[in-house]
Amino acid sequence: DAGVIQSPRHEVTEMGQEVTLRCKPISGHNSLFWYRQTMMRGLELLIYFNNNVPIDDSGMPEDRFSAKMPNASFSTLKIQPSEPRDSAVYFCASSYLRGQSGYTFGSGTRLTVV
Amino acid sequence: GENVEQHPSTLSVQEGDSAVIKCTYSDSASNYFPWYKQELGKRPQLIIDIRSNVGEKKDQRIAVTLNKTAKHFSLHITETQPEDSAVYFCAASGYTGNTGKLIFGQGTTLQVKP
Repeated sequence: DAGVIQSPRHEVTEMGQEVTLRCKPISGHNSLFWYRQTMMRGLELLIYFNNNVPIDDSGMPEDRFSAKMPNASFSTLKIQPSEPRDSAVYFCASSYLRGQSGYTFGSGTRLTVV
Repeated sequence: GENVEQHPSTLSVQEGDSAVIKCTYSDSASNYFPWYKQELGKRPQLIIDIRSNVGEKKDQRIAVTLNKTAKHFSLHITETQPEDSAVYFCAASGYTGNTGKLIFGQGTTLQVKP
């Protein structure tokens, strides 16, 4: 398996622009998580899905952030409009719902909003 | 909700010495505790995990101990090597039903001096 695949690896955008981050989980995994990592706040859980259904989005910082999982093999995290304080590394991770196995993280998307 | 505290935030040891990182959690229902290692610019990777029905688990130079009564768990690295230098994260499963949501500690930056 190729692991969790995220794209793009790096994104530089201007303030106010829309940004879309993409994630393909490991085949067979039925839980998907979006995290944001910054020096100040560490690893923050933004939202997660079980069987493509959003379970908890309490970590989504503002209405500017939205996430979707239209099928078991694809998820997006969208920021519209983007702001400089959104600059961070965004990780997607997947796991099996049952059995409490560890997550497998993607390589992350480094977002810079100027 | 679950809260995970991790100490110390930075740790510097000489090559060959042992390193210990400690975490406490708040939700007594948590029963899955993984540890992740993140090298600079890379994704967090699972290195060892423990479930609540086990008090200790060992994998070569790495061991994890769990004290459910006190709600704390620790990572022990023996005979440290320069390649152990990284940021280490503990996590606890805020397990309610089948959610399997992991809450991470703030991270410990381990530096192993040659």
